[in-house]
Amino acid sequence: LAKTTQPISMDSYEGQEVNITCSHNNIATNDYITWYQQFPSQGPRFIIQGYKTKVTNEVASLFIPADRKSSTLSLPRVSLSDTAVYYCLVGDGGYSTLTFGKGTMLLVSP
Amino acid sequence: EAQVTQNPRYLITVTGKKLTVTCSQNMNHEYMSWYRQDPGLGLRQIYYSMNVEVTDKGDVPEGYKVSRKEKRNFPLILESPSPNQTSLYFCASSKNDGPKNIQYFGAGTRLSVL
Repeated sequence: LAKTTQPISMDSYEGQEVNITCSHNNIATNDYITWYQQFPSQGPRFIIQGYKTKVTNEVASLFIPADRKSSTLSLPRVSLSDTAVYYCLVGDGGYSTLTFGKGTMLLVSP
Repeated sequence: EAQVTQNPRYLITVTGKKLTVTCSQNMNHEYMSWYRQDPGLGLRQIYYSMNVEVTDKGDVPEGYKVSRKEKRNFPLILESPSPNQTSLYFCASSKNDGPKNIQYFGAGTRLSVL
């Protein structure tokens, strides 16, 4: 399972775009990149998943460069309710332990 | 509604008193897993199961047991709880969907061992 590195914390203001980058230098060919969001005292929730280039859904966008050694979660126009911990996971899906790491604590202020 | 249900949500117990935290999913998922979350340590996997009667250790299995006799249920057993097992526990499930494995989490069980 590829090890990931994310910033411990980030600060932003309402209405701004937030980009959280995750490094995964030893990503394998079969690995997908998955991001989860966790609010305090709640279970993590799936946000977005991708393999290469760009993926967009109603919540976020995920940018993956050609070498796939990093990925960037982009949250457009954040609101106070986006304050949460964001986890980046890289793996080939379920056939081994899944390590969430410590994630990135995003604090959105008014 | 598709969901992962954990019970109880809150539990206070004493050292050495055996307890079980139940986890049930209604999505017919093959894969289930238990995590614990502690301040500053993130989410750490305790045990996981790829299917019925198949379980394996995660990163922090010491002091825990699991069983997977039915597809929908994956109970976490603490035979002799100790204060260092005070934590927030999450159960999760997913399809064995190859690389696109997406996990669905329960609401959590907050355990205090006195």
